[in-house]
Amino acid sequence: GNSVTQMEGPVTLSEEAFLTINCTYTATGYPSLFWYVQYPGEGLQLLLKATKADDKGSNKGFEATYRKETTSFHLEKGSVQVSDSAVYFCALTNRDDKIIFGKGTRLHILP
Amino acid sequence: GAVVSQHPSWVICKSGTSVKIECRSLDFQATTMFWYRQFPKQSLMLMATSNEGSKATYEQGVEKDKFLINHASLTLSTLTVTSAHPEDSSFYICSVMDRGEYSNQPQHFGDGTRLSIL
Repeated sequence: GNSVTQMEGPVTLSEEAFLTINCTYTATGYPSLFWYVQYPGEGLQLLLKATKADDKGSNKGFEATYRKETTSFHLEKGSVQVSDSAVYFCALTNRDDKIIFGKGTRLHILP
Repeated sequence: GAVVSQHPSWVICKSGTSVKIECRSLDFQATTMFWYRQFPKQSLMLMATSNEGSKATYEQGVEKDKFLINHASLTLSTLTVTSAHPEDSSFYICSVMDRGEYSNQPQHFGDGTRLSIL
């Protein structure tokens, strides 16, 4: 079946540090991949997405590349800010309408 | 602007009461909406798929008589937690499916409802 595995948090970094949150997936065929962000007390917002192999999604300084050979979609940002503190979810959709979410990674950025 | 409006954002009530949560699609007609539940520091668990004009499809392990879903119009789905108990306390999030040709995401999410049962 379809599944998403992402690194467990919490991840704590200092402001301006480099961020990587690992995400791997299991799916048949060619899923679409997403990163969602959830700020405290809020719903989910789409951060970026990629719909086919080698696509790079990017938004607000975050990037992730769809790697089919390694079934990965790691999230990166070169210089994090305090305002990036949130929970990040890796997710996929595949053939049907359901979104499969990873367990989420909580990110704390220290000033 | 917001595509999905979820109301209320926070509710506290006594054990045994029923609580209704509304999810409205603001920008387009939504034939399909989803209801999720999120426990503290955990991921979203899909509870059910709400289809306009027909019965909701519940995920395995979700009590349909406990969590009543009504999707009577193309812009509104409601989740009613019946006879709520403390173990029903959670963060409930709805989403609206977007099959539009120019859509950039499969679902638009509401801001969630925090339900606390005393």
